[in-house]
Amino acid sequence: GENVEQHPSTLSVQEGDSAVIKCTYSDSASNYFPWYKQELGKRPQLIIDIRSNVGEKKDQRIAVTLNKTAKHFSLHITETQPEDSAVYFCAASNLDNAGNMLTFGGGTRLMVKP
Amino acid sequence: GAVVSQHPSWVICKSGTSVKIECRSLDFQATTMFWYRQFPKQSLMLMATSNEGSKATYEQGVEKDKFLINHASLTLSTLTVTSAHPEDSSFYICSAREARGYQPQHFGDGTRLSIL
Repeated sequence: GENVEQHPSTLSVQEGDSAVIKCTYSDSASNYFPWYKQELGKRPQLIIDIRSNVGEKKDQRIAVTLNKTAKHFSLHITETQPEDSAVYFCAASNLDNAGNMLTFGGGTRLMVKP
Repeated sequence: GAVVSQHPSWVICKSGTSVKIECRSLDFQATTMFWYRQFPKQSLMLMATSNEGSKATYEQGVEKDKFLINHASLTLSTLTVTSAHPEDSSFYICSAREARGYQPQHFGDGTRLSIL
């Protein structure tokens, strides 16, 4: 089955700096890669996703890049703000499978210092 | 749109009690719902995939007789933790996916289960 590795497990940045979180996946059939933000005790919220037919996607301060050959994808947050502090999870899925189940990475705890 | 409601949000009960958690898609029809378990400071671990009108598919290591899943309609799935013990204490989160085409999974608020 799919295995998703996520690094780093914790990341501390100064407000205004950029943050980068990286994930690798093992199953070359995976073709959908969402990123979720989870605040303490709350639900994971989808912040951005990318499909394998696209190499990069951007939404305001958030961008995701995908390298299918190397089987890795990254989340980039620019001009970080204290409210960006949360745990971020990457995930991988195969849209061609009936279940479309997500395999999550281990999570990255992002702390943005004011 | 795409709201998933999960109830209850917090349960504290004695060992041996059975606990039912409900997951509802409020404004869309969900052919597939997923149940996850999350321990403190850890990732979401998929327990089972629930398809409307059929038996749930459990992940390896998850006891289907312990964690009963029912998905009787396109808007409701339930997870019953039978005869819960302290080691079952965890954060349980459901997610749902719309029936039409491929749509992202939308998560409920989660249920914090504490077994004394």
